[in-house]
Amino acid sequence: NAGVTQTPKFQVLKTGQSMTLQCAQDMNHNSMYWYRQDPGMGLRLIYYSASEGTTDKGEVPNGYNVSRLNKREFSLRLESAAPSQTSVYFCASRGGVRGQGVPTYEQYFGPGTRLTVT
Amino acid sequence: AQRVTQPEKLLSVFKGAPVELKCNYSYSGSPELFWYVQYSRQRLQLLLRHISRESIKGFTADLNKGETSFHLKKPFAQEEDSAMYYCALRSLFTRKIYMFSGGYNKLIFGAGTRLAVHP
Repeated sequence: NAGVTQTPKFQVLKTGQSMTLQCAQDMNHNSMYWYRQDPGMGLRLIYYSASEGTTDKGEVPNGYNVSRLNKREFSLRLESAAPSQTSVYFCASRGGVRGQGVPTYEQYFGPGTRLTVT
Repeated sequence: AQRVTQPEKLLSVFKGAPVELKCNYSYSGSPELFWYVQYSRQRLQLLLRHISRESIKGFTADLNKGETSFHLKKPFAQEEDSAMYYCALRSLFTRKIYMFSGGYNKLIFGAGTRLAVHP
């Protein structure tokens, strides 16, 4: 299993440009997440998807949109990039149960996308 | 408010020295806590979870509900332990819109502590 994969690994955008970050998981997980990682701030949740076709805003959703078209893939779109969106973006997924049907809450992360907006 | 605090941005030790990375949390309810590790330019990896009471790579962490802490410890640090460490708390986020309510589980991360182990 590849786990959680993300593309691209690096991207440089000019202010106002748009792009979509792709994420896919092969663990048959229901929940998927998009985070941004900034120095001194840890990881902050941008958007969340509980299942195919559903999405919800996290802590910092402004300037982003997401799409969960199927169970495997969860994409993040920047419609008009701004320098404040320079960050490392991580996708994660969660799912499954431990013994006796107890749900697990740990998340599995992708390798990240390093985005610079000039 | 639900919050995770990692008071140290950087912890610098010599190889063989004991290590304690601090994590305090604020949560009303029964907490579930995790430690994640991120080696240089790699993805975050789950290091350990408190409910498993496990030891991974020599690291242990005990949940202290009285002190609301979940400190990560290792008796003898190794150079390969140098990494960024994040403490995370499972939180149930609820939302009510008109008559409908729903929620989802999310992880609240601390700001992280960079551990540097020198030879």
